[in-house]
Amino acid sequence: GEDVEQSLFLSVREGDSSVINCTYTDSSSTYLYWYKQEPGAGLQLLTYIFSNMDMKQDQRLTVLLNKKDKHLSLRIADTQTGDSAIYFCAETATTGGFKTIFGAGTRLFVKA
Amino acid sequence: NAGVTQTPKFQVLKTGQSMTLQCAQDMNHEYMSWYRQDPGMGLRLIHYSVGAGITDQGEVPNGYNVSRSTTEDFPLRLLSAAPSQTSVYFCASSPYQGNTIYFGEGSWLTVV
Repeated sequence: GEDVEQSLFLSVREGDSSVINCTYTDSSSTYLYWYKQEPGAGLQLLTYIFSNMDMKQDQRLTVLLNKKDKHLSLRIADTQTGDSAIYFCAETATTGGFKTIFGAGTRLFVKA
Repeated sequence: NAGVTQTPKFQVLKTGQSMTLQCAQDMNHEYMSWYRQDPGMGLRLIHYSVGAGITDQGEVPNGYNVSRSTTEDFPLRLLSAAPSQTSVYFCASSPYQGNTIYFGEGSWLTVV
């Protein structure tokens, strides 16, 4: 079945770049997403990429997609303490009726 | 400006009780889904619907029922609550084949 995996924790210093990685298994994925969840809140869409793209940049965020390796990454430039949150990778696949499957989330800690 | 509305926000149940989590969206989205979020597990799909009158099981459907009598509403029913169902529940909606998922604010459920 479909699976999305990501590491559970990442710690960086303020001002450094953060790179959060994700791997997925379903080769029929159409959309891949990054969501951010702050404490006690719901999920907020950060950015998404179509599966026929390699890269997408949006201000401090860069998404890279390696479709051959089924690997997705999110780079946050100049990481700030306000970026501390849980980041979820997700994919929408065409198999099984456009279900969206989420990874377990990567908790980003930003040290001042 | 309502988006996805979930109620209740907090609920404590005794083992064996039943209850319904309500979810409504006002964006005329075809696709609605329920997820549960547990520590270290990320979001897991419980049930989803691709339109009024159509529902299907996700990754963890046991112990839950859903129905979709209208486009707007997608209630989640716990038939006989168990402590293992203690979790945070998120309802979500998106346009069918769309690229953005909108989440409700979450419902914190504790089963004692």
